[in-house]
Amino acid sequence: KAGVTQTPRYLIKTRGQQVTLSCSPISGHRSVSWYQQTPGQGLQFLFEYFSETQRNKGNFPGRFSGRQFSNSRSEMNVSTLELGDSALYLCASSLQGLNTEAFFGQGTRLTVV
Amino acid sequence: AQSVTQLDSQVPVFEEAPVELRCNYSSSVSVYLFWYVQYPNQGLQLLLKYLSGSTLVKGINGFEAEFNKSQTSFHLRKPSVHISDTAEYFCAVSESGGYQKVTFGTGTKLQVIP
Repeated sequence: KAGVTQTPRYLIKTRGQQVTLSCSPISGHRSVSWYQQTPGQGLQFLFEYFSETQRNKGNFPGRFSGRQFSNSRSEMNVSTLELGDSALYLCASSLQGLNTEAFFGQGTRLTVV
Repeated sequence: AQSVTQLDSQVPVFEEAPVELRCNYSSSVSVYLFWYVQYPNQGLQLLLKYLSGSTLVKGINGFEAEFNKSQTSFHLRKPSVHISDTAEYFCAVSESGGYQKVTFGTGTKLQVIP
């Protein structure tokens, strides 16, 4: 069974640009969550999607948005990038929700210059 | 809202020695608790979880954790560590029931010294 796949693995963007990250969950998983991981802040919850609907949301500005498609694949978009957005972005999938058992992808490392 | 505190950012320990990684949580309701491990350049992998029942939870790779409700703690232990246990460990909490978001601690880096 294939694991959670995140693309791309590495990305370098310039301040002010926008970026889209992709996450393909494990087959059959309907819940996809996104986290931002930085050395100082640890893992910060961005949002969770379940069956194409946003079910939970963290405390991030509106520049961070996401969506989920009918095949459960999810994308995360960050607009007007800032230097502070440099981080490892992790996606996790689960059958019903993150508080059951979650499987994480390897992440996308975003560097904003 | 719940929160998690991992008191130690780094823990060095000699190979074959025991280790305890500390985790305390705060929540006004019943909780589920988790420990995840992250190896370099990898995502997180679930080590063990407490949902209900026995307060002593056994996980993969010889790790175990004990849920202590009165002290609001969920410390992770291993009686004898190996070099391969060098990684970062994250404690996490969510409200029980339903499909709640999960809050992670800031992580503890375990460095096993040969």
